[in-house]
Amino acid sequence: KQEVTQIPAALSVPEGENLVLNCSFTDSAIYNLQWFRQDPGKGLTSLLLIQSSQREQTSGRLNASLDKSSGRSTLYIAASQPGDSATYLCAVRSGAGSYQLTFGKGTKLSVIP
Amino acid sequence: DAGITQSPRHKVTETGTPVTLRCHQTENHRYMYWYRQDPGHGLRLIHYSYGVKDTDKGEVSDGYSVSRSKTEDFLLTLESATSSQTSVYFCAISESTWAATYEQYFGPGTRLTVT
Repeated sequence: KQEVTQIPAALSVPEGENLVLNCSFTDSAIYNLQWFRQDPGKGLTSLLLIQSSQREQTSGRLNASLDKSSGRSTLYIAASQPGDSATYLCAVRSGAGSYQLTFGKGTKLSVIP
Repeated sequence: DAGITQSPRHKVTETGTPVTLRCHQTENHRYMYWYRQDPGHGLRLIHYSYGVKDTDKGEVSDGYSVSRSKTEDFLLTLESATSSQTSVYFCAISESTWAATYEQYFGPGTRLTVT
């Protein structure tokens, strides 16, 4: 059974700092990996999706990398801003025939002005 | 933002009553999903649909049923609500494209409290 772990559970950084969020998964046979952002009381916003054949994806100040063989992904946020404060969730889809996303429990990020 | 709405957004109901949650999309995506989010468990898949009248169970399907009679609507029914079904319910959609991305987009959620 696929398990997804996100460490740390919470992170507090000063504004302007670059930071890395970590995601690890137990079964490396994944189809794709998706990073989401969730604001309190809100739904999930898709940030980046990486296919299993890709090594990284970039969107603005965000860069996500994928190392399937080691079962790891990182989300790099450059020049953090208070508006980046949210919970970041990692989710993997295991196999082309599986429709299920397995989620980590998230990292709660606070960017201090 | 993907065109996904959920109704109701909040609901309080009593144990043993039936409850139906509705997800409506305007994106004409083939795949639709129902998840629940609970502290300590994260998001877990309840049921999903891969087309009109085509549905299947997810990880935590006991006590739930679903129906999809139109592409745009996916209903989640709790036949007899229990306190353990108090949760936030999210609907999601995805589509297969030439790149077969299946990126999932989520609705705003429904907060359900069973007393």
